[in-house]
Amino acid sequence: QKEVEQNSGPLSVPEGAIASLNCTYSDRGSQSFFWYRQYSGKSPELIMSIYSNGDQEDGRFTAQLNKASQYVSLLIRDSQPSDSATYLCAFMFSGGYNKLIFGAGTRLAVHP
Amino acid sequence: DTGVSQDPRHKITKRGQNVTFRCDPISEHNRLYWYRQTLGQGPEFLTYFQNEAQLEKSRLLSDRFSAERPKGSFSTLEIQRTEQGDSAMYLCASSFPLSSGANVLTFGAGSRLTVL
Repeated sequence: QKEVEQNSGPLSVPEGAIASLNCTYSDRGSQSFFWYRQYSGKSPELIMSIYSNGDQEDGRFTAQLNKASQYVSLLIRDSQPSDSATYLCAFMFSGGYNKLIFGAGTRLAVHP
Repeated sequence: DTGVSQDPRHKITKRGQNVTFRCDPISEHNRLYWYRQTLGQGPEFLTYFQNEAQLEKSRLLSDRFSAERPKGSFSTLEIQRTEQGDSAMYLCASSFPLSSGANVLTFGAGSRLTVL
């Protein structure tokens, strides 16, 4: 079992729609979860962090966490072509020195 | 705050040569990380420093890889006797623990290595 499972995509959505990205993780002890966006050829940039069960909203982005199910998701409302990128799910490993474990990412394509 | 700086941005080398990458973290960040990323994969953890102490190394970090952070500021990652399998993007990240205990990593632009 991989430590972080993400659908590689591509996930294709029309402009203005809601994009839903999902992630499951293996570390039951982790308390910190992150979504990073990575444009092709660029480095990851943080877009959302979430630490407790439920929803966390920031503008058009909503992160959802369910620790019992070891599941975290990201919703992007009113998707724009500029949202087209790879979205990396990550968690802070509970058994080591603050290292972040990443999934392979989901590629999102928003078409006009 | 000028962000995390990495140098060089691109390096092309021949198999068997040594290469060194440098990372300058955000100045007030005491935690520094190196990751490696290949095409289609997420970043893979290589090593972690808190101040000048290297606290964790991945099993991915073979004996040919060495990392230092001599004064708790900038860090270097050296790869000796490069192999074609070392071709990847090498990412540096830094962080400072928040009062909440959260630890948010900020990544540099990366150093892309191509081994011919």
